[in-house]
Amino acid sequence: SQTIHQWPATLVQPVGSPLSLECTVEGTSNPNLYWYRQAAGRGLQLLFYSVGIGQISSEVPQNLSASRPQDRQFILSSKKLLLSDSGFYLCAWSLRWGHNEQFFGPGTRLTVL
Amino acid sequence: GQSLEQPSEVTAVEGAIVQINCTYQTSGFYGLSWYQQHDGGAPTFLSYNGLDGLEETGRFSSFLSRSDSYGYLLLQELQMKDSASYFCAVREDSGGYQKVTFGTGTKLQVIP
Repeated sequence: SQTIHQWPATLVQPVGSPLSLECTVEGTSNPNLYWYRQAAGRGLQLLFYSVGIGQISSEVPQNLSASRPQDRQFILSSKKLLLSDSGFYLCAWSLRWGHNEQFFGPGTRLTVL
Repeated sequence: GQSLEQPSEVTAVEGAIVQINCTYQTSGFYGLSWYQQHDGGAPTFLSYNGLDGLEETGRFSSFLSRSDSYGYLLLQELQMKDSASYFCAVREDSGGYQKVTFGTGTKLQVIP
């Protein structure tokens, strides 16, 4: 069966510090991978998606970046965090073809102080 | 661009039926999905409609009308554990890639 991991579960970081969130998927190959951010009580905002190694598409211009160094590894980074980067970050995967369903990881709750 | 509209909050009584509507505006529409998210948790998939009509999965049903750019999620025999946020999500073709865009969610409160 497929599993998606995210870490850390919670993170408190000062403004201006760097960020690295990691997501890994097990039990499937060539998945589509996604990073979402959810502000408190709000919907999911798509940040990045990837259809393959090294292939990253950005949905919203911001101070965040994403990388996919391996087929089942997706990393979200920032060089300098802003207060507005606080939120619930969710990684998700779907099958490459016929992907009606997205499978979400447990999420990382980031607080920038 | 694309946009989705759904009510922000709905309250319903345990055992009753509730309908959560979703209207959308998008190009390259492919299908409509519904997700459930409990407070502090991750969204989980409920249903998908690629064609017009009703899809039923247990107590939950989902409907789509492509001509009206409209869909709904129907929850029957409501239980307290159904209290959660429900998101509609549009799957659309974006330059050969099928992208999913989520609505802002409807917070459902089930009361005794």
